[in-house]
Amino acid sequence: QQPVQSPQAVILREGEDAVINCSSSKALYSVHWYRQKHGEAPVFLMILLKGGEQKGHEKISASFNEKKQQSSLYLTASQLSYSGTYFCGTEIDTGNQFYFGTGTSLTVIP
Amino acid sequence: NAGVTQTPKFRVLKTGQSMTLLCAQDMNHEYMYWYRQDPGMGLRLIHYSVGEGTTAKGEVPDGYNVSRLKKQNFLLGLESAAPSQTSVYFCASSYPTGLAGVIYEQFFGPGTRLTVL
Repeated sequence: QQPVQSPQAVILREGEDAVINCSSSKALYSVHWYRQKHGEAPVFLMILLKGGEQKGHEKISASFNEKKQQSSLYLTASQLSYSGTYFCGTEIDTGNQFYFGTGTSLTVIP
Repeated sequence: NAGVTQTPKFRVLKTGQSMTLLCAQDMNHEYMYWYRQDPGMGLRLIHYSVGEGTTAKGEVPDGYNVSRLKKQNFLLGLESAAPSQTSVYFCASSYPTGLAGVIYEQFFGPGTRLTVL
């Protein structure tokens, strides 16, 4: 049930772009994206709903392909503050169960 | 507003001991969740609640029990702790969008680091 994320880890230089992918074997109702810094709680970034409604975050955008059951998170012109572990989270059915992916570690270096 | 708070922040137990973790939220959210986070495993749902007096099992419920007697509180209990329950536990709350099966953002507490010896 757990979504699969790729890549598992990525290292960027400041100003570079990154894409993080999330895929599920089940039909998705929505996709959430969170960022977690070391030793802290996850923080919400974005939600994507079926039909295209999206709640965003500046300089970070995302897409949701309902047919392929995939979502991608796009980080442009990365900053040092972008470092952390990114998780996608999905609701697979109407039972309100929520599944997080295994995470993607992103490190931005000067 | 305090948001979501968790008590305690750290705890060390011996195998077989019991304890209760408390989660409290002041945002009047309907939904509350308990997750555990282990290295390389991401966040896994233990139990959740969609309203006062209701609870449901998540992905990894064995060895845990929960109660939601008041809307603002969600308790997680370990009746007989085992070393496999060593983890960081996060509580979260959220609210429905009105669309079937879709919730908005989850607000997380700071976490409880539990070690079972």
